[in-house]
Amino acid sequence: AQSVAQPEDQVNVAEGNPLTVKCTYSVSGNPYLFWYVQYPNRGLQFLLKYITGDNLVKGSYGFEAEFNKSQTSFHLKKPSALVSDSALYFCAVRDIKNDMRFGAGTRLTVKP
Amino acid sequence: DSGVTQTPKHLITATGQRVTLRCSPRSGDLSVYWYQQSLDQGLQFLIQYYNGEERAKGNILERFSAQQFPDLHSELNLSSLELGDSALYFCASTRGRGGTSSDTQYFGPGTRLTVL
Repeated sequence: AQSVAQPEDQVNVAEGNPLTVKCTYSVSGNPYLFWYVQYPNRGLQFLLKYITGDNLVKGSYGFEAEFNKSQTSFHLKKPSALVSDSALYFCAVRDIKNDMRFGAGTRLTVKP
Repeated sequence: DSGVTQTPKHLITATGQRVTLRCSPRSGDLSVYWYQQSLDQGLQFLIQYYNGEERAKGNILERFSAQQFPDLHSELNLSSLELGDSALYFCASTRGRGGTSSDTQYFGPGTRLTVL
C-alpha cells in the first residue's frame, strides 16, 4: 500500500536561512509526488509535483523539491526562507493504482 | 484562487442534526474529492466522484454521503452529527479520474463545521 511520511511535526528556521521539509514515501510502481501548503483558515495550495524526468522540481514561491529514488524521498527546499513562508506543509503521493494519500503535515515557522 | 468554490464557509449546528456542504469544481474538471481535516486525524480522504459516478471511497462514515450532479457540483451530506464530526471539510477537483494520471488536485477554501 502506498504511504507517505513527514518525519518532523515542526521545523523552525530563521529568516534568510535555507529550509528543508522532509518527506519519504512508499509506493508500488513509479510515484507521483506532490507538495501543498496550507495557510491558517485556508485550503491547501498546490506548490509543485514530480511526475518523471528531472529530479529537481521547481514550484511556486521559490520552492523546489528533490526526488531521490534510492532514498524514496521528496524533500521540499527553499534557499532563503521568508517569514511569510510560515505555514503547514503537506506531502502527498499517488501511484498508478491508488488515490492520493497525504502526510500528517509539517508546521514550518520562520522567525525574523 | 484555485477556482474551486465551497459553501458555506462556516457552519454551526447541534448534535443529531443534518447538514449539506456544497462544492463547485474548477471549470472543466470532472472529478471532485472530499476530505476531512481534524486536529487529531490530519487530512482524511472521504470520497471521490467522477462525472457523476462514485469512483473511490476512503474513510467515509455511513452517516455521511455525497453525490455529484449533472452540472458537476457536488454535495456532501452529514447526518446524525456528533461532536467528533467538527472539522474542516475540503473538496478538491481534477480534470481526470485520478489514480491513473498525474492530475493535480486543486482545493477549495473549505467549510468549517462546528457541532455543539
